[in-house]
Amino acid sequence: GALVYQYPRRTICKSGTSMRMECQAVGFQATSVAWYRQSPQKTFELIALSTVNSAIKYEQNFTQEKFPISHPNLSFSSMTVLNAYLEDRGLYLCGARVSSGNTLYFGEGSRLIVV
Amino acid sequence: QQKVQQSPESLIVPEGGMASLNCTFSDRNSQYFWWYRQHSGEGPKALMSIFSNGDKKEGRFTAHLNKASLHVSLHIKDSQPSDSALYFCAVDSNYQLIWGSGTKLIIKP
Repeated sequence: GALVYQYPRRTICKSGTSMRMECQAVGFQATSVAWYRQSPQKTFELIALSTVNSAIKYEQNFTQEKFPISHPNLSFSSMTVLNAYLEDRGLYLCGARVSSGNTLYFGEGSRLIVV
Repeated sequence: QQKVQQSPESLIVPEGGMASLNCTFSDRNSQYFWWYRQHSGEGPKALMSIFSNGDKKEGRFTAHLNKASLHVSLHIKDSQPSDSALYFCAVDSNYQLIWGSGTKLIIKP
């Protein structure tokens, strides 16, 4: 079946430091990877959408300079949160799918705690 | 800009009862709709998709779509304590999923 693995599950980092998270699609080739942040209130914010053969598209309030993403092949993506501060706390979710109209499969998320 | 709204915000149902969750969307051209379930400490898992008007049944779960009234719903029959979770409605919009704010479902034994 289709699975998405995310690593690490949880990171505690000091304010101003950075955290890198990885996302691996298993059992399918992901032409589209979406990175979300889920707030403590459980709402989803789309950070960026990476589609094969297209530039990574960042949503308003999220920039490449702050959240650089690498999507080198159809099964792997990584994102870094640079200079993390309290407002960056949350559960970062990677969703991957074959194409629009297909199910978006999520990993278990990487939780960022900033102290 | 697509807007997706869910109701109720939270719902308590006795074990064995029927849970009904609602979702409205704003874009009449929407084609693909999903229900996701998220248990505490986990990522969201796709529960069901529905693309055509009418009902789609998978075991105890039935999704209903009415594009004309911009409404999609999820009904859980014979609710179990393990169904307690956050439920999200998501609508496909230009390669993105637009999410509702979720319904917290609690099944009381």
